[in-house]
Amino acid sequence: DAKTTQPPSMDCAEGRAANLPCNHSTISGNEYVYWYRQIHSQGPQYIIHGLKNNETNEMASLIITEDRKSSTLILPHATLRDTAVYYCIVKGGNAGNMLTFGGGTRLMVKP
Amino acid sequence: GAVVSQHPSWVICKSGTSVKIECRSLDFQATTMFWYRQFPKQSLMLMATSNEGSKATYEQGVEKDKFLINHASLTLSTLTVTSAHPEDSSFYICSARDWVTGTDTQYFGPGTRLTVL
Repeated sequence: DAKTTQPPSMDCAEGRAANLPCNHSTISGNEYVYWYRQIHSQGPQYIIHGLKNNETNEMASLIITEDRKSSTLILPHATLRDTAVYYCIVKGGNAGNMLTFGGGTRLMVKP
Repeated sequence: GAVVSQHPSWVICKSGTSVKIECRSLDFQATTMFWYRQFPKQSLMLMATSNEGSKATYEQGVEKDKFLINHASLTLSTLTVTSAHPEDSSFYICSARDWVTGTDTQYFGPGTRLTVL
């Protein structure tokens, strides 16, 4: 699976949009981009995933560049409860491929 | 969204004893479940992949005789830490793969914190 690069930490003001970048320049054609987050001492929570089109759900939006070499997770109105470590993971579409967690981005939402 | 539960949420045991952790998918069937371990201030590390009705596949460096995995049904996988020692103290997290609905998304349990004295 392709490797991802994320900034180790970011701050965001409460109520503002949080834009979390992820580089995955070696992504291959059948690999999806997944985003999870982990709030302290809890299991990771699925947020969103996509292949090449932009995706939106009740939690966030995922913007994938046309060349698919990078993506951005957008939390439109960050709250204090969004403080967590956010993981961007690239995973193949074939059965049996596991998720490989990197360091992630520690997002701190401040009042 | 799909729900995965783990039991117990935390456990303290004496060195040399065995501990069993259960992972259940509550509202979907999971032919594949995964077991992860997370040490303080570190990311999740995959320990093994558990397939219903067959033997688990362990990652390099994970002792299969120490970490026994059983996946006897489509909604339950168990991890048994045998002869636990203080260095096995960690946060153990399972995930279940929702393949049936075609989303191929993994959903994680809340984790089990193991402390070995």
